[in-house]
Amino acid sequence: GQQLNQSPQSMFIQEGEDVSMNCTSSSIFNTWLWYKQDPGEGPVLLIALYKAGELTSNGRLTAQFGITRKDSFLNISASIPSDVGIYFCAGLDYGGSQGNLIFGKGTKLSVKP
Amino acid sequence: DTEVTQTPKHLVMGMTNKKSLKCEQHMGHRAMYWYKQKAKKPPELMFVYSYEKLSINESVPSRFSPECPNSSLLNLHLHALQPEDSALYLCASSQAVASKETQYFGPGTRLLVL
Repeated sequence: GQQLNQSPQSMFIQEGEDVSMNCTSSSIFNTWLWYKQDPGEGPVLLIALYKAGELTSNGRLTAQFGITRKDSFLNISASIPSDVGIYFCAGLDYGGSQGNLIFGKGTKLSVKP
Repeated sequence: DTEVTQTPKHLVMGMTNKKSLKCEQHMGHRAMYWYKQKAKKPPELMFVYSYEKLSINESVPSRFSPECPNSSLLNLHLHALQPEDSALYLCASSQAVASKETQYFGPGTRLLVL
């Protein structure tokens, strides 16, 4: 089945540093989504990308939908302690009418003050 | 407003109990989903409802029984669960079931089966 390869698995950074994580797939996706999840809570949508090549920002977050439709990255600039959490990329099944959301395995971000 | 609510937030049940999880959204979304998430893993799709009809059942055991009484509500009925069913159960909704429809998640119900 379809899989997303998300990297890195975890990151330990100093407050103020920039962060970059990415997802790749062997399959084409029609939509890429980036979520953040805090322990015991549901995933919260950060950015949604709908067009190949699209670059979208949300505050300190920037994400891009790869031109091949098979990859996406998320950057966080000037990290702060509340950025701690698990970040998931997710792709919506290309051409599917079933809305299957395929998740990456997540990137756990730790920020040292 | 992109809010999906779930109750209860926490649930402890024995293997012989019957309980229900509830999910509600008032965004006019016509697709609703149940996911199961184990610790340190991504969410796994269980069920998809489209226009109040079950459209996907990802080979989920019959001890999990979904129900969509109307377009705003989604229930998950639990009966005779096993300890390995302990997990975070997430509900999500989207405008429709389609490949460009963003899914919004609720806060989840943390379930512990003893």
